[in-house]
Amino acid sequence: NAGVTQTPKFQVLKTGQSMTLQCAQDMNHNSMYWYRQDPGMGLRLIYYSASEGTTDKGEVPNGYNVSRLNKREFSLRLESAAPSQTSVYFCASSEWYSTQYFGPGTRLTVL
Amino acid sequence: QQQVKQSPQSLIVQKGGISIINCAYENTAFDYFPWYQQFPGKGPALLIAIRPDVSEKKEGRFTISFNKSAKQFSLHIMDSQPGDSATYFCAAGSGGGNKLTFGTGTQLKVEL
Repeated sequence: NAGVTQTPKFQVLKTGQSMTLQCAQDMNHNSMYWYRQDPGMGLRLIYYSASEGTTDKGEVPNGYNVSRLNKREFSLRLESAAPSQTSVYFCASSEWYSTQYFGPGTRLTVL
Repeated sequence: QQQVKQSPQSLIVQKGGISIINCAYENTAFDYFPWYQQFPGKGPALLIAIRPDVSEKKEGRFTISFNKSAKQFSLHIMDSQPGDSATYFCAAGSGGGNKLTFGTGTQLKVEL
């Protein structure tokens, strides 16, 4: 089992460009999450999906959109990237009352 | 607003020593308290977790101590090893633990 996979691993964007970060899990989990990690700020929840067909905002949703494509896949879209969105993005999945499993991350730089 | 406060920001411990990381929370609805370990270039991985019905949980060299009245919990790493050098995050969750609030992280370095 691959667990949680994320693509791409690295990305450099110019201000105003758009992109989609992809995430997939093969553990048949119902819940999926997107976090960003910035130095000194820990992991902050951007959006989550408690189950297929539902999505909810987390702590820092502004500038992002998400799509729960099916039970396996949860994508994060930046419509107009800004330098403040330079970060490491992690996708995670879990079952109810259970461990969140994280992917390897996407390092995004916005110039 | 930071709902989970973690300290210290960084920690250097000698091999064989005890590493202690502390966290404090504000929301009394939290009912799940995991600790995650993260190595450079990797995603966080669950290390150990506790629920508020017990005051301590031990797994190998790792122990969580939990003080419900003080709204504090801590991670103790006994006999610290260089391989324990990593960043550690505490977190707190409620409602099935599906939404976690993370602390800001502690960078641990274990020296020979």
